[in-house]
Amino acid sequence: NAGVTQTPKFRVLKTGQSMTLLCAQDMNHEYMYWYRQDPGMGLRLIHYSVGEGTTAKGEVPDGYNVSRLKKQNFLLGLESAAPSQTSVYFCASSYSLGQGGHSNQPQHFGDGTRLSIL
Amino acid sequence: DAKTTQPTSMDCAEGRAANLPCNHSTISGNEYVYWYRQIHSQGPQYIIHGLKNNETNEMASLIITEDRKSSTLILPHATLRDTAVYYCIVRGDSSGNTPLVFGKGTRLSVIA
Repeated sequence: NAGVTQTPKFRVLKTGQSMTLLCAQDMNHEYMYWYRQDPGMGLRLIHYSVGEGTTAKGEVPDGYNVSRLKKQNFLLGLESAAPSQTSVYFCASSYSLGQGGHSNQPQHFGDGTRLSIL
Repeated sequence: DAKTTQPTSMDCAEGRAANLPCNHSTISGNEYVYWYRQIHSQGPQYIIHGLKNNETNEMASLIITEDRKSSTLILPHATLRDTAVYYCIVRGDSSGNTPLVFGKGTRLSVIA
């Protein structure tokens, strides 16, 4: 049972560098999400996708871009990393309303990517 | 801001039932109550959710008051591996793209 897999698990970057975080799910979920979690705070939504080829902004989208070229993958990009983006990043996925047969499908999370930007 | 209020921390003896309360006095008719937990350094884990009826699954039971202003998550036989932060979340958008608003949750410590 792979579920939601995030790579890499850890990464250290220098300010200004770029990188891409990969999220892969094998549950045929339509919806995918990227959150960040900072110490003492709850998870905050960065971007999300309700289907292949579609993305939308969440609560804290600035400084990030995303792509959903394949249904099972959701990529989070940092074009020019800043120290304020040091955080733990979580990916999640869920069925859509139609897939699940009922509303409010729960989200399933990966184990996170710990990103430090110096 | 989170729509729920939870105690900051609780202790529970191993093997006993853990009862975690949550107040959601402003819940509206189409909003569900979700419970997630986060074990140290892992991603949040879905536990259970409900609208107005009590729910039970292999992990826990969810008891929702008749006025829906509060609920209790019950772990019937807590183990050391249940030590985690438990989040009670109210969510209503059935389209699925509403973010989960995680408050500070309840830190449950299961003690041997």
